[in-house]
Amino acid sequence: DARVTQTPRHKVTEMGQEVTMRCQPILGHNTVFWYRQTMMQGLELLAYFRNRAPLDDSGMPKDRFSAEMPDATLATLKIQPSEPRDSAVYFCASGLVRDGLSVAASTDTQYFGPGTRLTVL
Amino acid sequence: KQEVTQIPAALSVPEGENLVLNCSFTDSAIYNLQWFRQDPGKGLTSLLLIQSSQREQTSGRLNASLDKSSGRSTLYIAASQPGDSATYLCAVNTGANSKLTFGKGITLSVRP
Repeated sequence: DARVTQTPRHKVTEMGQEVTMRCQPILGHNTVFWYRQTMMQGLELLAYFRNRAPLDDSGMPKDRFSAEMPDATLATLKIQPSEPRDSAVYFCASGLVRDGLSVAASTDTQYFGPGTRLTVL
Repeated sequence: KQEVTQIPAALSVPEGENLVLNCSFTDSAIYNLQWFRQDPGKGLTSLLLIQSSQREQTSGRLNASLDKSSGRSTLYIAASQPGDSATYLCAVNTGANSKLTFGKGITLSVRP
């Protein structure tokens, strides 16, 4: 049963520390999404990749957040320095978008990982 | 800017009841709309995806409808069960940078 995995599942850190969250997309999927979920804002898209290339990271605070895909099996989201307002659940999702189709036109869904619950004190 | 609204935020019903969850969106120029389920402490699971050219999709006891012109979708759950208790989120894909815009969800509790 293929699944998206995320590590760590929980992270408690102090303000100013660097936080790295990792995601392993489903093998064969070519799109990866990072979302943040809070009670106030709900789910927000931070960034997404297609074939490892970043397509849109406009939802991400660029001064402290960075997202990368070092290879097809690993996506990372880093926060440096972290702040209390970054406390949230961060979800990674992956999907398969067929060649010639935009993500928007795809009929395939995104598969979500279990999330990383981040608390910044 | 696309906005997705789900009202009410929470709903409690007795087991066996048929129920409807509502979703509204402000920009009707969408590619598709999805309904997701989220269990406490878990990620999201896609339930149904409706393309903009479709009116409805069905899966088991679930039926989702889409009225693009009025900016509305409904998720119909037949013969609800305690196992249906979860948060249900609606998300629309406008194609603007291919982002999914989510509603804040409806937390459903089905009482035995």
